[in-house]
Amino acid sequence: GAGVSQSPSNKVTEKGKDVELRCDPISGHTALYWYRQRLGQGLEFLIYFQGNSAPDKSGLPSDRFSAERTGESVSTLTIQRTQQEDSAVYLCASSLFPENTEAFFGQGTRLTVV
Amino acid sequence: QQPVQSPQAVILREGEDAVINCSSSKALYSVHWYRQKHGEAPVFLMILLKGGEQKGHEKISASFNEKKQQSSLYLTASQLSYSGTYFCGTVIISNFGNEKLTFGTGTRLTIIP
Repeated sequence: GAGVSQSPSNKVTEKGKDVELRCDPISGHTALYWYRQRLGQGLEFLIYFQGNSAPDKSGLPSDRFSAERTGESVSTLTIQRTQQEDSAVYLCASSLFPENTEAFFGQGTRLTVV
Repeated sequence: QQPVQSPQAVILREGEDAVINCSSSKALYSVHWYRQKHGEAPVFLMILLKGGEQKGHEKISASFNEKKQQSSLYLTASQLSYSGTYFCGTVIISNFGNEKLTFGTGTRLTIIP
């Protein structure tokens, strides 16, 4: 596709359920990021994939959060046993060369935990 | 390692100027600027790579200081369309040896007629 695609766009889940969020980056982009944005807040770094290197998981807030990326394509962010504080917009971004080219953002997945 | 942005919020009348600052405790490889409108994804504005670099268009420009630890975004003769939240993103070498893009907390800019 022409841009970064995220699905679903909206997800409402019950507390304690697991959710999977998907990101399709722009083809050929080696770098992929996940960020969390709570209402009215900034972009909180979660995890970073770069090519075949080990992912930088330093931003994951707890062991309930995990992410995978298949090669240089699709990524899935999984949140287990969701809590109300997990409610936020989860944004995915990809870039060709992470340090000196722009990151393209998807439209995000709005997660609501009830 | 998150960059610090200031101010947190600015309210301007149309036609006025604004400066948004972004600073880091470590030397940076690059600084990225993005604008996010309400309910939308952040959109890229520009990247600065070299210390002392200045970049941008006539009304939206940015600088990256010589020590590469601070950047400023300049908005001149502001227009209503400039409203939104501005984020600076910074790239340093992480503990994993790979660069990652980390964002500041954002500056909310409101332009009033």
